[in-house]
Amino acid sequence: SQKIEQNSEALNIQEGKTATLTCNYTNYSPAYLQWYRQDPGRGPVFLLLIRENEKEKRKERLKVTFDTTLKQSLFHITASQPADSATYLCALGSYNDMRFGAGTRLTVKP
Amino acid sequence: GAVVSQHPSWVICKSGTSVKIECRSLDFQATTMFWYRQFPKQSLMLMATSNEGSKATYEQGVEKDKFLINHASLTLSTLTVTSAHPEDSSFYICSARDPGPRDNSNQPQHFGDGTRLSIL
Repeated sequence: SQKIEQNSEALNIQEGKTATLTCNYTNYSPAYLQWYRQDPGRGPVFLLLIRENEKEKRKERLKVTFDTTLKQSLFHITASQPADSATYLCALGSYNDMRFGAGTRLTVKP
Repeated sequence: GAVVSQHPSWVICKSGTSVKIECRSLDFQATTMFWYRQFPKQSLMLMATSNEGSKATYEQGVEKDKFLINHASLTLSTLTVTSAHPEDSSFYICSARDPGPRDNSNQPQHFGDGTRLSIL
């Protein structure tokens, strides 16, 4: 069966450090992979999309890599800030079939 | 940017009541909307795909008679939880994909802020 696993339920880091979150998947060949941010009691907010033929994508302090051989995506937040504290979800899929990982709850301590 | 509005944000009602949740795309037309359910500290679980002008496609294990979906226009989809019971209490979230001028299938989904449903 298809599985999407985010490496840890929770991640605590110090302000200024780089946060690295992992998304692994099995029995899946996604056309693209997306990362979302979700705050408590709110809907997810889109951050980045990376296609299967792309290795890396950046947006401000965010960087995403996509390794289709390892079936893994890494999501980095550089120079992390307390305001980055949230749950981050990876999502894989195609047009009408997008599936989410359980998320990693990131806490950035001042 | 694209905005999806979901209403109401919070519902508390008695067991046996039917509850309707609305999902609107505010600045784009969405032929397809998605309904998710999320339990605390768990992933979003896709319940059904709502298609404008046709029947919704439900995921395995989701009762279509329990969760009625209507997508009557390009900007509105509704989810009705019929005869709700305490086990239906959850966080329900809708999303819509803005296809853009070329109907690009890789466009991200835009989510509403969810509806917290509590059945007493």
